[in-house]
Amino acid sequence: QKEVEQDPGPLSVPEGAIVSLNCTYSNSAFQYFMWYRQYSRKGPELLMYTYSSGNKEDGRFTAQVDKSSKYISLFIRDSQPSDSATYLCAMSAPHRGTSYGKLTFGQGTILTVHP
Amino acid sequence: GAVVSQHPSWVICKSGTSVKIECRSLDFQATTMFWYRQFPKQSLMLMATSNEGSKATYEQGVEKDKFLINHASLTLSTLTVTSAHPEDSSFYICSASIAGAVSDEQFFGPGTRLTVL
Repeated sequence: QKEVEQDPGPLSVPEGAIVSLNCTYSNSAFQYFMWYRQYSRKGPELLMYTYSSGNKEDGRFTAQVDKSSKYISLFIRDSQPSDSATYLCAMSAPHRGTSYGKLTFGQGTILTVHP
Repeated sequence: GAVVSQHPSWVICKSGTSVKIECRSLDFQATTMFWYRQFPKQSLMLMATSNEGSKATYEQGVEKDKFLINHASLTLSTLTVTSAHPEDSSFYICSASIAGAVSDEQFFGPGTRLTVL
């Protein structure tokens, strides 16, 4: 079983729709939760990061973390064609006793928003 | 802020040659830099973690003699793919975390596409 599970999609929605992206995880040691957006042939771009359970909102994006269920979500409101990309969830836990955290990524969900 | 650059953005080389990829943090000092590999339609796989001035830590299954990592300063890390072969063709991405930051945010470079003929 993978530490982080993410439905690869693809997911296709009409412009203006609300998009829901989800990841589940099995490692209770994960402390930080992130969502990255990756356009084709580009590096990932950090969208959201959260530490505790609950919601965090930034513009059209809302990140939700439920540690009790080991489940995280990213909601995109009023989706635009420019949101079309691959969305990767990522999580980190203390790594080998050092101060930094190793990121474990989900497989990524391919999203297409059509006009 | 928090911009990471990579050079080159793409490279084509013959089998058996070595290729060096540079990763720079442009507007911050990076305590730690990470190197990932990404195959088409797959997620990022961490290859190694490097801290300035010390040896890199490689993930299980990654050959340290084949993928040489040098983290010479707080703003520069290099990955050298030695004696590259076609199976090394991939998208290599670096990331950096900010020195002294509380969170584990990593800022990614734009990636380097390596094609080995």
